[in-house]
Amino acid sequence: KAGVTQTPRYLIKTRGQQVTLSCSPISGHRSVSWYQQTPGQGLQFLFEYFSETQRNKGNFPGRFSGRQFSNSRSEMNVSTLELGDSALYLCASSREGGINSPLHFGNGTRLTVT
Amino acid sequence: AQSVTQLDSQVPVFEEAPVELRCNYSSSVSVYLFWYVQYPNQGLQLLLKYLSGSTLVKGINGFEAEFNKSQTSFHLRKPSVHISDTAEYFCAVSEGGDMRFGAGTRLTVKP
Repeated sequence: KAGVTQTPRYLIKTRGQQVTLSCSPISGHRSVSWYQQTPGQGLQFLFEYFSETQRNKGNFPGRFSGRQFSNSRSEMNVSTLELGDSALYLCASSREGGINSPLHFGNGTRLTVT
Repeated sequence: AQSVTQLDSQVPVFEEAPVELRCNYSSSVSVYLFWYVQYPNQGLQLLLKYLSGSTLVKGINGFEAEFNKSQTSFHLRKPSVHISDTAEYFCAVSEGGDMRFGAGTRLTVKP
């Protein structure tokens, strides 16, 4: 069974640009969550999508948005990039979301903003 | 709101020595607790979880953790570590919709 796939693995963008990251969950998983990982802030929850609907949202500005497609694949978009957005962005999928459904993480997309 | 504190940012140990990675949480209601491991250039992998029942939870790779409600702790232990256990370990708590992670503890196992 294929794991969670995140593309691309690495991205370099310039301040002010926008970026789209992609996540393909494990087959059969309907919940996709996104996390930002930085050395200073650790892992921070961005949002969770379930059946194409945003179910939970963390404390990030509106520049961070996402969506989920009918095949459960998810994209995350960051507009007007800032230097502080440089981070490892992790996607995690689970069958149903919730505490009884373990998270399976992808290897992440490392975004560098210059 | 729940929060997670991992008391040690780095833990160096020698191979075959025991190790304990400490985690404390704060929450006003029932919580569900997790430990994840992150190897270099990879995502996180679930080690173990506590949802209910026995307070001693056994996970993969010989790790175990004990839920202590009175001390609001969920420390991770392994009786004998290997070089391959070198990684970042994250404690996490879920109180509802989202999961909150601690800052992580970097375990370095030296030969």
